[in-house]
Amino acid sequence: AIQLTQSPSSLSASVGDRVTITCRASQGISSALAWYQQKPGKAPKLLIYDASSLESGVPSRFSGSGSGTDFTLTISSLQPEDFATYYCQQFNSYPHGFTFGPGTKVDIK
Amino acid sequence: EVQLVESGGGLVQPGGSLRLSCAASGFTVSSNYMSWVRQAPGKGLEWVSVIYSGGSTYYADSVKGRFTISRHNSKNTLYLQMNSLRAEDTAVYYCARELVGATSYYFDYWGQGTLVTVSS
Repeated sequence: AIQLTQSPSSLSASVGDRVTITCRASQGISSALAWYQQKPGKAPKLLIYDASSLESGVPSRFSGSGSGTDFTLTISSLQPEDFATYYCQQFNSYPHGFTFGPGTKVDIK
Repeated sequence: EVQLVESGGGLVQPGGSLRLSCAASGFTVSSNYMSWVRQAPGKGLEWVSVIYSGGSTYYADSVKGRFTISRHNSKNTLYLQMNSLRAEDTAVYYCARELVGATSYYFDYWGQGTLVTVSS
């Protein structure tokens, strides 16, 4: 099965900062990658799918890029409500299932 | 408005059973791909199982043979029957609807989660 790694595992940033999180797949997955945001005690929220498509209702400061094995999630200007943990996710056709990255926690500097 | 509401979690002894429910509104469960995803306390997300609109089901290796996903079409509800529970099954369990994107599958709607604790 394809494995996902994320870097960094955590970061501290200030409001207004540009933040970039990386997700790397163990094999090429074309552009079949999603990004989720999760706040404590809440369900994950889909931000980006197909590597760069912005989910409806998600602020435009979030963007995704990449294909093959290397992907990035960028927050152009960090807002107070963006402090959360971010996960990448991909679908395995064999064995059938889904894989999530280990997560990147973004907290306040 | 799409909504998913899980129930059925609680404290169960190792080796015991529990059935989780996920009541959906705003869309038809049987016309969509539906999954269960869990999150152990302080840990990351782990996909558990999926049921496709055609009825095919798939499981993570960690739960295969112990968990069964199903749905009740007239109740518009998804279920997860969990047997032979282990301490490592302790987690918040989320139901989620799959979005079929241009290149793959993702989860566009999630329930609020229900906590399952396996402990003696």
